[in-house]
Amino acid sequence: NAGVTQTPKFQVLKTGQSMTLQCAQDMNHNSMYWYRQDPGMGLRLIYYSASEGTTDKGEVPNGYNVSRLNKREFSLRLESAAPSQTSVYFCASSDASGGADNEQFFGPGTRLTVL
Amino acid sequence: RKEVEQDPGPFNVPEGATVAFNCTYSNSASQSFFWYRQDCRKEPKLLMSVYSSGNEDGRFTAQLNRASQYISLLIRDSKLSDSATYLCVVNPPDDYKLSFGAGTTVTVRA
Repeated sequence: NAGVTQTPKFQVLKTGQSMTLQCAQDMNHNSMYWYRQDPGMGLRLIYYSASEGTTDKGEVPNGYNVSRLNKREFSLRLESAAPSQTSVYFCASSDASGGADNEQFFGPGTRLTVL
Repeated sequence: RKEVEQDPGPFNVPEGATVAFNCTYSNSASQSFFWYRQDCRKEPKLLMSVYSSGNEDGRFTAQLNRASQYISLLIRDSKLSDSATYLCVVNPPDDYKLSFGAGTTVTVRA
């Protein structure tokens, strides 16, 4: 049982390049999330998927797109990377629709640098 | 105003000491509250949920004050392994999304 896995762990891009961050969970969770974490700012939600087949914008969606490929996989795409997207990206999943049981399980993160 | 605000610290304490810190939240209708722990360059992990009546988990005690809209975490008999950043997390009602504070850094020294 691997939990939440993310690939790649590290990535360096040049401004304007595109890339897709992959996330998969093996806990049969309905909900999946993409966050970015910047120093002093905490985790900010980029996009989330409450269930297979649905996606919604979070707090900071500009410059990103997502795909909920199936129940297990949720990918994040940067179409034209910018230096402001340098960050650590975390994928998370949960089995709850909100409330006291809404524990989210996180992947190990992807450290992205855009030059 | 941020939804969740925390004192960033750092709190530097000797082993065996007690350390406590708070966070405040802005949405008075929030129903669920959590403390997550994040080690350096690692992913956040749930430390404990925070219940209205307060709750303990070993050396960790969490309290909720709805009237003043703050949550506290107290660590007794600190261990070196408690060194981490502690994230205050709030779940608004009827929402999948969690709001994370920026974290409070605790360093326990020998």
